[in-house]
Amino acid sequence: EVQLVESGGGLVQPGGSLRLSCAASGFTFASYGINWVRQAPGKGLEWVSGIGGRGDSPKSADFVKGRFTISRDNSKNTVYLQMTSLRAEDTAIYYCAKEGKYSSLFDIWGQGTMVTVSS
Amino acid sequence: SFVLTQPPSVSVAPGQTATLTCGGNNIGSRSVHWYQQKPGQAPVLVIYYGSDRPSGIPERFSGSKSGNTATLTISRVEAGDEADFYCQVWDPTSDHPWVFGGGTKLTVL
Repeated sequence: EVQLVESGGGLVQPGGSLRLSCAASGFTFASYGINWVRQAPGKGLEWVSGIGGRGDSPKSADFVKGRFTISRDNSKNTVYLQMTSLRAEDTAIYYCAKEGKYSSLFDIWGQGTMVTVSS
Repeated sequence: SFVLTQPPSVSVAPGQTATLTCGGNNIGSRSVHWYQQKPGQAPVLVIYYGSDRPSGIPERFSGSKSGNTATLTISRVEAGDEADFYCQVWDPTSDHPWVFGGGTKLTVL
């Protein structure tokens, strides 16, 4: 079964850091890009960051550039999102999502991990 | 980056047809994908490349696009179809390649 499982969310103070993990199984991990998409409470989906199958072409949305870093370890079938200088507006469910064969869509999503930034 | 516009809400009676729209500049020339998100769950891909259905998605779900509008049509709507629906496009030349619409809440009356 193709599966993505996120972990690492929690409560953190403004200015703090967290590292999210996305563990994959059931497919050839290194052949697919993985992305992070977030959803603030009661709001819509928002693309955050993505990385190619070989760790190439990392991209991030402007609102997280310089604060969030995406990386992957293909030996562990895991993608990471290192989040620093967290702000209240970063509070959201963070989903990891697998790109499809031609990258343009997300065909598999994890269940999400909640990040709450609050003092 | 590219902007996608969706109506916040659509209501339909059971058994009727729901039409959800997604507007964007010349969206008809782009790859458009649709996701369904039920309360408390992760999104699920329901239509890709404008009109294709992943395995397991009922034939009642269909998609089309033309000009500046993409459309998701749900025929013979059921109570279980109630959810938020998001359209999404991909612009590989952009620093923000994956763009979502604001979402439409489908209410089954």
